[in-house]
Amino acid sequence: AQSVTQLDSQVPVFEEAPVELRCNYSSSVSVYLFWYVQYPNQGLQLLLKYLSGSTLVKSINGFEAEFNKSQTSFHLRKPSVHISDTAEYFCAVSAFSGGYNKLIFGAGTRLAVHP
Amino acid sequence: EADIYQTPRYLVIGTGKKITLECSQTMGHDKMYWYQQDPGMELHLIHYSYGVNSTEKGDLSSESTVSRIRTEHFPLTLESARPSHTSQYLCASTERQAGEQFFGPGTRLTVL
Repeated sequence: AQSVTQLDSQVPVFEEAPVELRCNYSSSVSVYLFWYVQYPNQGLQLLLKYLSGSTLVKSINGFEAEFNKSQTSFHLRKPSVHISDTAEYFCAVSAFSGGYNKLIFGAGTRLAVHP
Repeated sequence: EADIYQTPRYLVIGTGKKITLECSQTMGHDKMYWYQQDPGMELHLIHYSYGVNSTEKGDLSSESTVSRIRTEHFPLTLESARPSHTSQYLCASTERQAGEQFFGPGTRLTVL
């Protein structure tokens, strides 16, 4: 069965420092990978996605993630974080199981950016 | 503007009440989903639909029911709410099975 592991439940970091949120998945087939962000009391917003092609994908607000097939990872990085990046981040993999397609989510990583 | 809506955003009710959580999308997507999310936890799929008159249960067992009479509307109903139903409920939709899902703002339900 496919699964997603987010290795850090919480990541505290100072403003303007770099950050990496780690995500590993298990799958024996081709996958589509996603990072979602959730601000307090809101739904999930798509941050970036890997479907095919270049293994490095970027968002409009400076985040990037690299698909590494050999390490089955899709880590999220940002070279310099802002206070406004404080949120919960979810890694997800698209999977076909039980007769239907679905997204399998990791447990989330809470990014706390301090001044 | 194409979007996905959920109402109410917050709901506090007593045990035994019947409630319906509304979800509507104006993106023309066939596939819609309901997730349950406890505070600080991952999302669990409780229901999904691939089109009108199509509904299926997801991975997490839920006492709620859903209906899909119109493409744009996917309401979730609890016949008799209990404190164990206290959670956040997120609705999502997608155009493609393997593509990204678009989420509504969620309904935070508290059952006293």
